[in-house]
Amino acid sequence: DQQVKQNSPSLSVQEGRISILNCDYTNSMFDYFLWYKKYPAEGPTFLISISSIKDKNEDGRFTVFLNKSAKHLSLHIVPSQPGDSAVYFCAAKYSGGGADGLTFGKGTHLIIQP
Amino acid sequence: DAGVIQSPRHEVTEMGQEVTLRCKPISGHDYLFWYRQTMMRGLELLIYFNNNVPIDDSGMPEDRFSAKMPNASFSTLKIQPSEPRDSAVYFCASSRDGRYTQYFGPGTRLTVL
Repeated sequence: DQQVKQNSPSLSVQEGRISILNCDYTNSMFDYFLWYKKYPAEGPTFLISISSIKDKNEDGRFTVFLNKSAKHLSLHIVPSQPGDSAVYFCAAKYSGGGADGLTFGKGTHLIIQP
Repeated sequence: DAGVIQSPRHEVTEMGQEVTLRCKPISGHDYLFWYRQTMMRGLELLIYFNNNVPIDDSGMPEDRFSAKMPNASFSTLKIQPSEPRDSAVYFCASSRDGRYTQYFGPGTRLTVL
């Protein structure tokens, strides 16, 4: 039973446009969410995170939105650049109670078209 | 500042052999995590340590898998005996504070023939 779902295995966006990657979760105990970016043959690289006490966090071209009632988060990249082509993983955790591991979605492959 | 270091980067072995994967976390990080990535199951947590002590090993698939952390700068994940279904990419990650961001190593791609 997948607790974190990324329903789009791939997404193609034109350079300069906005990329929107979506993620849904089912476990209401999750209170901290992260996005990781992964290039082939490399480990996931931390991109941006958000705590459940917020509904938005912004870092340069990257913004993460959290809708707790819908158990949904999204990552916006604007403007999209060729170097953004990678697999993006959504991850979630419960920050209390010693449950420190991350639960990952299966990833969305973002392709930025020139 | 060096990131998480894993070795070897690639390992090819035959079924039944023992495999040992190694990880050096970022200096000063008290948490160390082992993850496995497969096509079917994606990235899943195997085990994690806090201050060298195993905290949660519920993700370890079978008794054939074991992990140790003898000191703050070194951890191993051992598979004995290995099977073809263990073929995957194994990632090590570390965190200063287990509640938040984890930093991943480059991974070890294991192929068991």
